Amino acid sequence: DIQMTQSPSSLSASVGDRVTITCRASQSISTYLNWYQQKPGKAPKLLIYAASSLQSGVPSRFSGSGSGTDFTLTISSLQPEDFASYYCQQSYNTPRTFGPGTKVDIK
Amino acid sequence: EVQLVESGGGLVQPGRSLRLSCAASGFTFGDYAVNWVRQAPGKGLEWVGFIRGKVYGEATGDAASVNGRFTISRDDSKRIAYLQITSLKTEDTAMYYCGREREGLTRPHFDYWGQGTLVTVSS
Repeated sequence: DIQMTQSPSSLSASVGDRVTITCRASQSISTYLNWYQQKPGKAPKLLIYAASSLQSGVPSRFSGSGSGTDFTLTISSLQPEDFASYYCQQSYNTPRTFGPGTKVDIK
Repeated sequence: EVQLVESGGGLVQPGRSLRLSCAASGFTFGDYAVNWVRQAPGKGLEWVGFIRGKVYGEATGDAASVNGRFTISRDDSKRIAYLQITSLKTEDTAMYYCGREREGLTRPHFDYWGQGTLVTVSS
């Protein structure tokens, strides 16, 4: 199975900050990498697919990059509604493993 | 409007079985695989299995961690996918979500999720 790791596990940031979350796969997965946002008590929501493609309706302040084993999710200017947990997921094969998550909270 | 609605969760004793449902509407159900993902209280997301569409022979796959206790099926005439869990354990306590995945995409992803159904395993 492909293992996914994320860093940091949590971070505190202020509105307007630029935030970067990294995700690493245990083997090369090309660009088979997705990012999801989850708010407390809610289902996950797709933000980015194929490493860098923005899902329809997602604000352009979210962006993704990377290929192979190393990936990044960037929020260019953090907004109040962005305080949430973020998960990467590989879709290179099954099981479609998720990273452990990064919780973004208010500084 | 695309909707996925899970149901069937509840309080169950260890060792019993349970069948969860994921009812779909607003899209061509047969064009999508259905994935099941669970989240234990305060923990992260764990993919537990999926079922592909008829074009792909309704192939299924599940996570090694469930040790063959999970069976996934679908009834396209009813637009419902099912997750049958047998020999329930306390560690199966979680919110269970279904998520759709368009078949044939070059880069698969779960673009819609249900709201989840809570399974609590306790005596």
